[in-house]
Amino acid sequence: KAGVTQTPRYLIKTRGQQVTLSCSPISGHRSVSWYQQTPGQGLQFLFEYFSETQRNKGNFPGRFSGRQFSNSRSEMNVSTLELGDSALYLCASSGGVRTGGLSGYNEQFFGPGTRLTVL
Amino acid sequence: DAKTTQPNSMESNEEEPVHLPCNHSTISGTDYIHWYRQLPSQGPEYVIHGLTSNVNNRMASLAIAEDRKSSTLILHRATLRDAAVYYCILNSGNTGKLIFGQGTTLQVKP
Repeated sequence: KAGVTQTPRYLIKTRGQQVTLSCSPISGHRSVSWYQQTPGQGLQFLFEYFSETQRNKGNFPGRFSGRQFSNSRSEMNVSTLELGDSALYLCASSGGVRTGGLSGYNEQFFGPGTRLTVL
Repeated sequence: DAKTTQPNSMESNEEEPVHLPCNHSTISGTDYIHWYRQLPSQGPEYVIHGLTSNVNNRMASLAIAEDRKSSTLILHRATLRDAAVYYCILNSGNTGKLIFGQGTTLQVKP
């Protein structure tokens, strides 16, 4: 079974530009979550999409947005890039169905990330 | 989301057991306790999760205090490949929203 894939793996942009990152979840998974990882702030949750709807949202400005397509693939967009947006952006996928009990746990599978550098 | 507290770093010798503690004094009754780890230059990976009772899987064991205000991840025989940052996370919704703390950096010495 193929894992979570993210494209591109590396990206260099300049301040003020916008960027779109892509995430293909594991086949059959309906939930995709996005995270930002920086040395100073660690891993921070951005948002989660489930069946094309945003289900959870972190505490990031509106410049960060996302969407999910009917095939569960997800894109994340950052507009008006700032130097502080330089980070590793990780996506994770899971089955996403919120069943109860230990056996119904939605294990998150993470991709390798996209390294964004803003100059 | 309830907060967890972990030591910043720990050291272990190869082949010895490792006990990684996590405090979560504000845990609610519906919070699951999750552990993920992040190996160098990789995304995080799931280790184990539990609710009230101790749990075992092929990777590790999770010991949960009776009052659920703390838990311990146990690696029975540490290997060099276990060197990673270990995150203890609470999540009640069984969704993809994981709130990571700073985690514990585990160093394994040969």
